[in-house]
Amino acid sequence: GDSVTQMEGPVTLSEEAFLTINCTYTATGYPSLFWYVQYPGEGLQLLLKATKADDKGSNKGFEATYRKETTSFHLEKGSVQVSDSAVYFCALRNYGQNFVFGPGTRLSVLP
Amino acid sequence: DTGVSQDPRHKITKRGQNVTFRCDPISEHNRLYWYRQTLGQGPEFLTYFQNEAQLEKSRLLSDRFSAERPKGSFSTLEIQRTEQGDSAMYLCASSSGEIGGGEKLFFGSGTQLSVL
Repeated sequence: GDSVTQMEGPVTLSEEAFLTINCTYTATGYPSLFWYVQYPGEGLQLLLKATKADDKGSNKGFEATYRKETTSFHLEKGSVQVSDSAVYFCALRNYGQNFVFGPGTRLSVLP
Repeated sequence: DTGVSQDPRHKITKRGQNVTFRCDPISEHNRLYWYRQTLGQGPEFLTYFQNEAQLEKSRLLSDRFSAERPKGSFSTLEIQRTEQGDSAMYLCASSSGEIGGGEKLFFGSGTQLSVL
């Protein structure tokens, strides 16, 4: 079945550092790819998405590019802030099927 | 948009008891999902509704679990004869359906179940 693998956390960075969280997937067909974020005490919320190969999703300074050749959707941000501290989930969805989430990567940003 | 609300936020029960959780989705959303999340893991699909119809149920879900969505509005998830392995965060999400493959889920804050 479909699956998502993420880099293990926790990831600890200093403010203004560059962030990469790796995500790779295994799926049949052409799934849509997503990053969801869960801030402390809150529910998961959509951060960005890409629905076809080579699409780039972006939001709040975060970016991820749908790479079909490497089955990857790595999350990047050029300069993280303390307020970015959260758990980040990579997810995929094939048309007509359900979302499959990765295990999540916890990010802590220190001032 | 008042968001997805779940009740209760926390539930502590003894093994063997029945528990019921409620989810109120965003009012105009026709799809409603239930997920389960354990520590250090991502959400795991349990079941989903399109309006009042339960369209899919995970094969991982035992017969002790049942969900309803009467009239296509709020939903309830019941767990009968709870076991310690049922301890988890139960998440509800709603959406307005698939748009070009990029369906967006709106999650509630979850119900944390602890089975003693």
